Amino acid sequence: SAVISQKPSRDICQRGTSLTIQCQVDSQVTMMFWYRQQPGQSLTLIATANQGSEATYESGFVIDKFPISRPNLTFSTLTVSNMSPEDSSIYLCSVDSGAANTGELFFGEGSRLTVL
Amino acid sequence: GDSVTQMEGPVTLSEEAFLTINCTYTATGYPSLFWYVQYPGEGLQLLLKATKADDKGSNKGFEATYRKETTSFHLEKGSVQVSDSAVYFCALRGGGKLIFGQGTELSVKP
Repeated sequence: SAVISQKPSRDICQRGTSLTIQCQVDSQVTMMFWYRQQPGQSLTLIATANQGSEATYESGFVIDKFPISRPNLTFSTLTVSNMSPEDSSIYLCSVDSGAANTGELFFGEGSRLTVL
Repeated sequence: GDSVTQMEGPVTLSEEAFLTINCTYTATGYPSLFWYVQYPGEGLQLLLKATKADDKGSNKGFEATYRKETTSFHLEKGSVQVSDSAVYFCALRGGGKLIFGQGTELSVKP
């Protein structure tokens, strides 16, 4: 299984600011996924990030609000831009187990953001 | 599109009680099915999985069987412990994406 490290683990942010979350994996992976878990809710996929190409965003999420970088096969960042209290969530990075798009995903511990 | 529907919580049980958490899915094709668990203050962990019809996934006393005819993947445990208190998520993977149900909070009392 992959070991995934996320930074920061938690932060308190002011409305209107932006924050970048980093995700580091201990092995090379093709696909990385960013999820959001709003308080008391399930996990919703924000986007899929492949190295060397633009991220693919799910319905309801846009690049201007959640820009993603994927500079290499072990690292990705998600920025939450122009934050509002509605962006208070846990943001999770995940990677494929490698089983041809049918296997499980491994998850980082998440980054808990509180927007005031 | 693909979706997962879980039994609503919270579910409160006494220790050693039998647990069932219902999960049904809608998908095109033949997705893989998963149960993930989120213990208080911890990250999301894979509990068990099944990749094709009639497969049974099992781990830590929990079991779930992939039922294609009823499009279900119900989670069961014969005797729960206080340490099983957590939020349980049913999920499917189809088209490369992992899609989660809404989660079911389980609280086990001594």
